[in-house]
Parts: sequence; structure tokens; C-alpha cells
Amino acid sequence: GENVEQHPSTLSVQEGDSAVIKCTYSDSASNYFPWYKQELGKRPQLIIDIRSNVGEKKDQRIAVTLNKTAKHFSLHITETQPEDSAVYFCAASIGMIKAAGNKLTFGGGTRVLVKP
Amino acid sequence: DGGITQSPKYLFRKEGQNVTLSCEQNLNHDAMYWYRQDPGQGLRLIYYSQIVNDFQKGDIAEGYSVSREKKESFPLTVTSAQKNPTAFYLCASSIGTGHKSGANVLTFGAGSRLTVL
Repeated sequence: GENVEQHPSTLSVQEGDSAVIKCTYSDSASNYFPWYKQELGKRPQLIIDIRSNVGEKKDQRIAVTLNKTAKHFSLHITETQPEDSAVYFCAASIGMIKAAGNKLTFGGGTRVLVKP
Repeated sequence: DGGITQSPKYLFRKEGQNVTLSCEQNLNHDAMYWYRQDPGQGLRLIYYSQIVNDFQKGDIAEGYSVSREKKESFPLTVTSAQKNPTAFYLCASSIGTGHKSGANVLTFGAGSRLTVL
């Protein structure tokens, strides 16, 4: 089955700096790669996702890049703010194949701390 | 709040007891999921269901059971066979499979924290 590795497990950055989280996946059939953010005591929420037919996607201060050949994808947060402090999870799935449903495999998570 | 409700929020269990965690959604989503969250291990899939009366094992199904008798409900039973049940359990739902826009996006419940005494 799919295996997703996520690094680093913790990341401390100064407010205003950039943060980068990297994930690798094992199943070359995976074609959907979301990122979820879980603030302390809250439920995970989708912040951005990318499909395998796209190499990069941006949404304001957040961007995700995908390298299908190397089977890795990354989350980039620019101009970090204290409210970016949270645990971030990457995930992968064969999202467009009906039989497989939406069986997301998550990475281990990255705890991001933005210091004021 | 969010359309998906989990109960109870906190649950204590003695060893050898089965417990059932409730998950209800009013989003009209076809698919529902149970994840287990442990520190440093991310979210691991226990069971998922794409339609009523059908469900599949996830990566860590041993010691757990589910049912999907209604579209809105996907209860999880943690049995006495689960060797390390103390964890935070998250239920989620999504529109479903196929090529519908947003079909893959998970909506999570607030979670249930189970502690075995």
C-alpha cells in the first residue's frame, strides 16, 4: 500500500520567514495530494491540494509543488504569521479511481511554531 | 458545527470492554472514514465506507469493527482485541468517489479521546 513520509517533524521559524515541509510517497499511482492543518485542540482542515496533472498551485501565502518523477511534494508558507502555528499533514491517494475511493494515506505531521 | 458530530468527546474504558464511538453527519456525504491519531504518527486509517451497507478495512483495522446501516451514521467499535486502544479517534466524511468537484475533500469531526484504564 501507499506510504507517505513527512519531514521535518517539528519546525520553528521566525515570524515573516518562510516554512517548507516535504513529503515523499511510494505509490506511483497516487494522483491527489492534499494538505491539512490542525490547530491546537481543533479538527484538521484542508488548506490546499494538488492533482498529479499540475506541478504547482498557489493560494495567497501558501503554495504546493509536486514532482511526480521523484514522488515528492512540498508545502511552502511565505511571510509566516503566528496564526500559522499548527500541525500540518500531507496526504496522498488514488483519488480519481472509483474502486479505490478516497483512501487517503497521511504523513506523520509537522508541528510548526512561528515565533513572534 | 461542521456538519459531522462525534460522541462522546472523552471516554474511559476498562481493559476487556468493548466501546462504541458515534459518528453522525448531515452533509449528505456518501463516504465516511475513521482515523486514529497518535503523536508523531499522523492519521492512520482504520475503516472507510463509500456507500451504505459497504465498508473496507484501512491500514490498522485489527481490533476494530464498523457498520454503515444509514448514510448519516458510521459507528466504530473498539473491541477488547485492540491491544493499544488509547488514542484520539477522528471520523471524517467526503462527498464520495468519482470525478465530482471536491469529492476528495475530507470534513472531520471534533474527535473522541479514548483512554483505557
